[in-house]
Amino acid sequence: KQEVTQIPAALSVPEGENLVLNCSFTDSAIYNLQWFRQDPGKGLTSLLLIQSSQREQTSGRLNASLDKSSGRSTLYIAASQPGDSATYLCAVEIYNQGGKLIFGQGTELSVKP
Amino acid sequence: DAEITQSPRHKITETGRQVTLACHQTWNHNNMFWYRQDLGHGLRLIHYSYGVHDTNKGEVSDGYSVSRSNTEDLPLTLESAASSQTSVYFCASSDPGAGGSEAFFGQGTRLTVV
Repeated sequence: KQEVTQIPAALSVPEGENLVLNCSFTDSAIYNLQWFRQDPGKGLTSLLLIQSSQREQTSGRLNASLDKSSGRSTLYIAASQPGDSATYLCAVEIYNQGGKLIFGQGTELSVKP
Repeated sequence: DAEITQSPRHKITETGRQVTLACHQTWNHNNMFWYRQDLGHGLRLIHYSYGVHDTNKGEVSDGYSVSRSNTEDLPLTLESAASSQTSVYFCASSDPGAGGSEAFFGQGTRLTVV
């Protein structure tokens, strides 16, 4: 059974720092891995999607990497800002399971001014 | 812009009542999903559909049902609401394709069963 783990559960950093959020999964048979952002009381906003054949994806100050063989993904946030404060979730789409996602429990990020 | 909308955003209901949560997407996606989000459990799959008249049970389907009469809508029904179903519910959609595809989520419905 696929399990997805995110460490740390919470992270507090001063503004301007570069930071890394971690996501690990137990079964490498995945189609893709997706990173989401969730603001309090809001829905999930898709940040980056990495296909299983890709190693990384970039969007602005965000860079996500994927190492399928080791079951790991990282989300790198450059020059963090208070507006980056949110919960970040990773989810894997299992191979041949028709779009169903398995989620980690998220990392709650707080960026202090 | 295409979007996925849920209604209502907040709902309070009594134990034993039937409740229906609406989900409408304009992406024209075949795949639609319902998840619930609870502290300590993260997001878990309730039901999903791969097209009109297709419905499937997810990890936590007991006490819930869905129906798919068109591409755009996948309403979630709680047959007889229980306090254990107090949660935040999210609807999502995606387009099936080689290598999977990006999933899009609604804003969520916060349901309280009293």
